[in-house]
Amino acid sequence: EVQVLESGGGLVPPGGSLRLSCAASGFTFSDYVMSWLRQAPGKGLEWVSSISANGGTTNYTDSVKGRFTISRDSSKNTLSLQMTSLRADDTAIYYCAQGGAMIFAVWGQGTLVTVSS
Amino acid sequence: EIVMTQSPGTLSVSPGERATLSCRASQSVASNLAWYQQKPGQAPRLLFSGASTRATGIPARFSGSGSGTEFTLTISGLQSEDFAVYYCQQYNNWPRTFGQGTKVEIK
Repeated sequence: EVQVLESGGGLVPPGGSLRLSCAASGFTFSDYVMSWLRQAPGKGLEWVSSISANGGTTNYTDSVKGRFTISRDSSKNTLSLQMTSLRADDTAIYYCAQGGAMIFAVWGQGTLVTVSS
Repeated sequence: EIVMTQSPGTLSVSPGERATLSCRASQSVASNLAWYQQKPGQAPRLLFSGASTRATGIPARFSGSGSGTEFTLTISGLQSEDFAVYYCQQYNNWPRTFGQGTKVEIK
């Protein structure tokens, strides 16, 4: 079964840092673009970042450029999102998803990040 | 950035009836459009890619159409499990962008 499972969310003060992880299983991880998306409480979906299958190309939404870094470790089938200089408007459920070159085919259940003092 | 606009914001429909959801792009996205369904407390689920190609396991009562800037998701014979929020997403340009969602609720 194709699955992705996020971890690493939590409460962090404004200006703080957090690293999210996503464990992938059931598919050849190194063959797929992978992405992070988020959903603020009661709001819609927002694409955050994607990384190419070989890790050589990354894309970010403007609001996180320079603060977030996406990476992958194909030896461990793991996707990561390093988040720094966190702000209140980064508060959201963060989803890991298979895909992003086009569609987001498989989504994890999400991990909640709350930025608050 | 391509802005995706969905209408209506909320659609009240009785079980067994048809629901028609619209999605408009601020510029042409060709057929590079996906639809997702999200139920409360759950992750989104892919319904369609290429505007009209059903994802695996999606029932035939769901249909998608359109190209360019105008797209439609139709649910025929709504069942209880179909009451949810539906999002469209374009993948013609970066950044990938979503509509704000249409909530389909029980009338």
